[in-house]
Amino acid sequence: EIVMTQSPATLSLSPGERATLSCRASESISNNLVWYQQHPGQAPRLLIYDASTRAVGIPARFSGSGSGTDFTLTISSLQSEDFAVYYCQQYNKWPRTFGQGTKVEI
Amino acid sequence: QVQLQESGPRLVKPSETLSLTCTVSGGSISRYNWAWIRQSAGKGLEWIGRFYSSDNTIYNPSLTSRVTLSVDTSQSQFSLKLTSVTAADTAVYFCARERSGGFDPWGQGILVTVSS
Repeated sequence: EIVMTQSPATLSLSPGERATLSCRASESISNNLVWYQQHPGQAPRLLIYDASTRAVGIPARFSGSGSGTDFTLTISSLQSEDFAVYYCQQYNKWPRTFGQGTKVEI
Repeated sequence: QVQLQESGPRLVKPSETLSLTCTVSGGSISRYNWAWIRQSAGKGLEWIGRFYSSDNTIYNPSLTSRVTLSVDTSQSQFSLKLTSVTAADTAVYFCARERSGGFDPWGQGILVTVSS
């Protein structure tokens, strides 16, 4: 199966700062990647699909880039509600697999 | 707006069968792929499988010998059965609709504990 590796495990930033999260696939997945945001006690929320397309209702401060094996989620200016855990997930092959997450903390 | 809600026993004994149901409201259950995903502290997010029709179901190879997914369109529900459970199957189980390669929306999740 394709292994998804996220870095860093934890990102400590302040409101207003820029966050850059990385996700690496163990083999090429083209642009078949999604990003999720998860707050404690809640289900993940789809943010980005096709590596760079924002889902409906997702603010423009969230952007995704990359293709092949290396991907980035950028939050241009952190708002208080953005402090959460972020996961990447590939859908190039079965089984679908997720990264272990990056926690963005204040 | 489609909403999903998981239901079922929250405590299952080792070696028994875990059975969960996801009720879909606010939209049609037909024409979509439906999935189960679980989340545990030890393994993070793990995709269990996807159901579209009885001959179009895909399971995670790590679970395929123990898992069955099905849909009851008359009740707008889809179900998960996981047999021979152990403590390693303790997790929050989510149901979700497959969309744009990912999953959206998700149910709120249900914590299932495997313990005697």
